[in-house]
Amino acid sequence: DVKVTQSSRYLVKRTGEKVFLECVQDMDHENMFWYRQDPGLGLRLIYFSYDVKMKEKGDIPEGYSVSREKKERFSLILESASTNQTSMYLCASRPRTGASRPLHFGNGTRLTVT
Amino acid sequence: QKEVEQDPGPLSVPEGAIVSLNCTYSNSAFQYFMWYRQYSRKGPELLMYTYSSGNKEDGRFTAQVDKSSKYISLFIRDSQPSDSATYLCAMIVFIGRALTFGSGTRLQVQP
Repeated sequence: DVKVTQSSRYLVKRTGEKVFLECVQDMDHENMFWYRQDPGLGLRLIYFSYDVKMKEKGDIPEGYSVSREKKERFSLILESASTNQTSMYLCASRPRTGASRPLHFGNGTRLTVT
Repeated sequence: QKEVEQDPGPLSVPEGAIVSLNCTYSNSAFQYFMWYRQYSRKGPELLMYTYSSGNKEDGRFTAQVDKSSKYISLFIRDSQPSDSATYLCAMIVFIGRALTFGSGTRLQVQP
């Protein structure tokens, strides 16, 4: 069974702090994604990666960066946290090929920036 | 205008009712359509997947796609309290790219 693990369920950080959100998957998936989920806005794509050291901006990349040094790990970095980055962050992975392969999500990290 | 529109609800129905959840979209290039279910404090999980127009049935769930109207639906028959969750539609132009999600509809099935 595919497992996507996000290192923290809840995080509280202060404005201006550098924040790291970690995600690990155990199924050798090529593609990994970071979404944020906000009420009324649904899931919005921040960044995705289709291979090690490869990344592509999603719909809302401003204020975020990512790192993919190993296939199983995809990190989201908030360079200088701001209150408008308070949100639920969801990591997901899927294999590169296979039309019906689902996107597997972690259980999310709820980040509060004060 | 959002690429994918979905009524946020909440939608409250009695146990045993037929539920209809819907999404509209504006990008005619979308080819693959999915429904995800998200329980409270959990990540979304894939419920149904369809390619192009038509119907697909899986147990109590039926997914319907009408590409000419840019409209997709999920029907739940004999709804159960365990179906209470947020349902997210999602779609993609081609596999390998990122999904575009609707904002989700919260469903409550009352026992």
